[in-house]
Amino acid sequence: DTGVSQDPRHKITKRGQNVTFRCDPISEHNRLYWYRQTLGQGPEFLTYFQNEAQLEKSRLLSDRFSAERPKGSFSTLEIQRTEQGDSAMYLCASSFGTGHSPLHFGNGTRLTVT
Amino acid sequence: AQSVTQPDIHITVSEGASLELRCNYSYGATPYLFWYVQSPGQGLQLLLKYFSGDTLVQGIKGFEAEFKRSQSSFNLRKPSVHWSDAAEYFCAVGAGDTGTASKLTFGTGTRLQVTL
Repeated sequence: DTGVSQDPRHKITKRGQNVTFRCDPISEHNRLYWYRQTLGQGPEFLTYFQNEAQLEKSRLLSDRFSAERPKGSFSTLEIQRTEQGDSAMYLCASSFGTGHSPLHFGNGTRLTVT
Repeated sequence: AQSVTQPDIHITVSEGASLELRCNYSYGATPYLFWYVQSPGQGLQLLLKYFSGDTLVQGIKGFEAEFKRSQSSFNLRKPSVHWSDAAEYFCAVGAGDTGTASKLTFGTGTRLQVTL
């Protein structure tokens, strides 16, 4: 169990640029989640995959956000035309099974939009 | 929709003292409850979880939590705090249905400071 890996750890970008983050879940975990955490707040759910299928998207996920998990393994989260309000920590988590298995979180990608 | 309230934004305790962090949830059915800890710049680590059964659950690092349905609470406790426990603590509730199991709603967190 090597844990959930996220890359990069930090990303600074200028407003209007596109950014992409990658998440590698724990191997054999079939579920993958993206959360966003702003300063002083708890994580907020963005989207969720079971294998390669994206099963739910939060209303927080505007049209500028897209997430993929093409082969049911790693996932990418892309933000197009970044805005300053996108500055946050983006957390990925994975879990196994069909029940309420606990989420295992990565260390996150901190995005700063200038 | 489920929600979680952590009334204490910041708590300071002395090393060796006991600790209780409060968590109240709102959910229409049987909740699935979790406590996570987050160190600065890090992801979240699971401390403990409640799904069903015994309402007093034990977790890692000497933490425990008690589920009280009548009070809609799931408070986290530790008998003797260590300086390394200083971190942010998040309570979370999971949906009780099976459709989007494991999707969690988090509270805003309680920052714990430990004085020596």
